[in-house]
Amino acid sequence: AQSVTQLGSHVSVSEGALVLLRCNYSSSVPPYLFWYVQYPNQGLQLLLKYTSAATLVKGINGFEAEFKKSETSFHLTKPSAHMSDAAEYFCAVKNTGNQFYFGTGTSLTVIP
Amino acid sequence: DTGVSQDPRHKITKRGQNVTFRCDPISEHNRLYWYRQTLGQGPEFLTYFQNEAQLEKSRLLSDRFSAERPKGSFSTLEIQRTEQGDSAMYLCASSLASQGSNYGYTFGSGTRLTVV
Repeated sequence: AQSVTQLGSHVSVSEGALVLLRCNYSSSVPPYLFWYVQYPNQGLQLLLKYTSAATLVKGINGFEAEFKKSETSFHLTKPSAHMSDAAEYFCAVKNTGNQFYFGTGTSLTVIP
Repeated sequence: DTGVSQDPRHKITKRGQNVTFRCDPISEHNRLYWYRQTLGQGPEFLTYFQNEAQLEKSRLLSDRFSAERPKGSFSTLEIQRTEQGDSAMYLCASSLASQGSNYGYTFGSGTRLTVV
């Protein structure tokens, strides 16, 4: 069974501070892992994806994530938060099928 | 191409009424997906089409829900006899089958349904 767990439903950081959003996955086979961002009343936008080519994945808007098999984790980071980063972030896992399994999301607040 | 379009953006309906949503995928995408997102939760898979064929349905898709993609282009999702528990954001996404499982989908902005 595929699933992801996002630790922390709400994260607040100061503008310019490090952003760390946590995601742990459960998968019986090497997974495809994704991070999506959702702005209020908008659909989901792909930030980045892990497909086994490299463990450190760089995405859009300065975000990156590192796949750690030993920890079954795929945490999302950004060195310096910007006000425009305030949004809901979803980690998702997909196997060779056609379904995404999303986490419950982490709401990021950036404090000026 | 402007991406995945969904219509309407918002729908308020009375309990017991039927509603229909429309999704227009990216034109060259042959796969189309419907997801439902309730407040405070991540999206949950409902169903997907490859061309006009509905290939997979979630158990979340009760008998009151029906989805179609008659010509392999746009899709409709109908909910009959709406209940308050149907209130959610309904998201549509599309992709190319040839892109493989390691590819993300392109999501639309969703239709937010409120059942009163």
